[in-house]
Amino acid sequence: GAVVSQHPSWVICKSGTSVKIECRSLDFQATTMFWYRQFPKQSLMLMATSNEGSKATYEQGVEKDKFLINHASLTLSTLTVTSAHPEDSSFYICSASAGSENSPLHFGNGTRLTVT
Amino acid sequence: GQNIDQPTEMTATEGAIVQINCTYQTSGFNGLFWYQQHAGEAPTFLSYNVLDGLEEKGRFSSFLSRSKGYSYLLLKELQMKDSASYLCAALDSNYQLIWGAGTKLIIKP
Repeated sequence: GAVVSQHPSWVICKSGTSVKIECRSLDFQATTMFWYRQFPKQSLMLMATSNEGSKATYEQGVEKDKFLINHASLTLSTLTVTSAHPEDSSFYICSASAGSENSPLHFGNGTRLTVT
Repeated sequence: GQNIDQPTEMTATEGAIVQINCTYQTSGFNGLFWYQQHAGEAPTFLSYNVLDGLEEKGRFSSFLSRSKGYSYLLLKELQMKDSASYLCAALDSNYQLIWGAGTKLIIKP
């Protein structure tokens, strides 16, 4: 089945630094990838839709200057959390669809970010 | 507005059967997904329904009634490893996923 690889699995960084999270589709081309954020005991919150070769579409309330998304190729999207604050600590998950728009999303394993 | 409702938490016994319900209200509809998520992990795909009826996959089955805006996930022969959150998500007319808050399923021996 479709595989999505996300790296790193967990990261601890200091306030004010930036962190980059990578999301790769290993066995299919993903023209669109999605970035989610999940707080403990809550559901997924869509942050942005990442389109290959174009600017990401951000959901309302998500700061695009803080959460930089780049989708440079059909198999790689990156999320950079800039000038991280403790409130950015969360579980970040990427996903991609392997086929048509109603194909199931396949998720990366997620990245647990802790900002100290 | 768009909304997904599912119970917050359910408890069942190992070996038994449990049904997790989900009702949805969306702008258009292009199908409904069920995902399983273990604590601290990303969701994994379980099922997709777009036509009315029951789809069976081993111990898991998913049902959809489009006229009622209703779906359920049925888990049979429950195992301890089935303890997880189960997320219902509907695809709207723009193919955007609307997520439910998830149902935490607790399996007791």
